[in-house]
Amino acid sequence: SQKIEQNSEALNIQEGKTATLTCNYTNYSPAYLQWYRQDPGRGPVFLLLIRENEKEKRKERLKVTFDTTLKQSLFHITASQPADSATYLCALDNGGGFKTIFGAGTRLFVKA
Amino acid sequence: SQTIHQWPATLVQPVGSPLSLECTVEGTSNPNLYWYRQAAGRGLQLLFYSVGIGQISSEVPQNLSASRPQDRQFILSSKKLLLSDSGFYLCAWRTEETQYFGPGTRLLVL
Repeated sequence: SQKIEQNSEALNIQEGKTATLTCNYTNYSPAYLQWYRQDPGRGPVFLLLIRENEKEKRKERLKVTFDTTLKQSLFHITASQPADSATYLCALDNGGGFKTIFGAGTRLFVKA
Repeated sequence: SQTIHQWPATLVQPVGSPLSLECTVEGTSNPNLYWYRQAAGRGLQLLFYSVGIGQISSEVPQNLSASRPQDRQFILSSKKLLLSDSGFYLCAWRTEETQYFGPGTRLLVL
């Protein structure tokens, strides 16, 4: 069955460092991969999308890589700030239907 | 711009009671609408999606149902709630490449 795995353990880093979150998937051939941010008690907010034919995508302090051979995406936040503390969700979409599959998310804590 | 509203924000209901959660979308027409449930520490579970008025697709067998009486209105219902129905319910509107989520409803069934 299709599966998305994100590190269930929280990631704790110091302010100013780069946070790197991992998303692995199996039994799926996504047309694109999305990253969302979710704050406690709120709905997810879309951050970035990367297509299957793209290796890397950047947006301000965010960078996403997508390796379809390894079936893995890495999500980087450079110069992290305490305000970046949240849960980050990875999501896959095959682009041809109506469904998106979401991972359980990784909780990030950035200490001042 | 597009906006998604959900209500209520929180709800505490006894086992066996009925449920009605409402989602409305502004700023778009004929949207693809979704209901998800999120349990603590788990991913978003797709419950229902709708591509138009009266068109509902169910993803998970359960005691929940959904309806779309109007283009921008999506309703999640149950005749009798179970303890396992507790969770965070999210409505979403999907564009071609992303989803926009509402603020969610926290449901606690006691």
